Amino acid sequence: KNQVEQSPQSLIILEGKNCTLQCNYTVSPFSNLRWYKQDTGRGPVSLTIMTFSENTKSNGRYTATLDADTKQSSLHITASQLSDSASYICVVNKAAGNKLTFGGGTRVLVKP
Amino acid sequence: SAVISQKPSRDICQRGTSLTIQCQVDSQVTMMFWYRQQPGQSLTLIATANQGSEATYESGFVIDKFPISRPNLTFSTLTVSNMSPEDSSIYLCSVRSDSYEQYFGPGTRLTVT
Repeated sequence: KNQVEQSPQSLIILEGKNCTLQCNYTVSPFSNLRWYKQDTGRGPVSLTIMTFSENTKSNGRYTATLDADTKQSSLHITASQLSDSASYICVVNKAAGNKLTFGGGTRVLVKP
Repeated sequence: SAVISQKPSRDICQRGTSLTIQCQVDSQVTMMFWYRQQPGQSLTLIATANQGSEATYESGFVIDKFPISRPNLTFSTLTVSNMSPEDSSIYLCSVRSDSYEQYFGPGTRLTVT
């Protein structure tokens, strides 16, 4: 079964600190992996898209990594800000059929 | 990038009634999708809205319950029919560009009483 598992389910961090979110997937055949940020009451917004050949991609203070061999990805948030409080969703695109498989998300709360 | 708007942004409806949600995109797109996000859950694909033909529904979703129209490449509607409290969710319109980037609308928060 094609799945995307994220951990932790939620975390609380202090403003200015770093954190790392994890994503493991079994989706095959793999096309690309995306990280989205979803603020409360809003639709998801894309942070990064990585294909099979990409190991690291950054978008400002967000850095995503991908290990296609172990089927793992991480999203690292550097120097967190209050505005980083949101849900972060890992999404894997299957190569055949253009179907996206969504992880359950990690809810991040940044406290001052 | 594509800018997506949805109407209404939220609504409270009585059970047994129907609600039509509109999705407007600021550019022509090939692929449009409708998702549901139940409270505390991630997104679930309801259907792919095909321009000029019937929508393609995912397992567990049927046309009688969620009729979809897509009259052109920038507009689509999703109707939630004969609503029950279990239909209370956020409904999101999404489009995919030629570069495989996928954009999401702001969502319509539906509460059924």
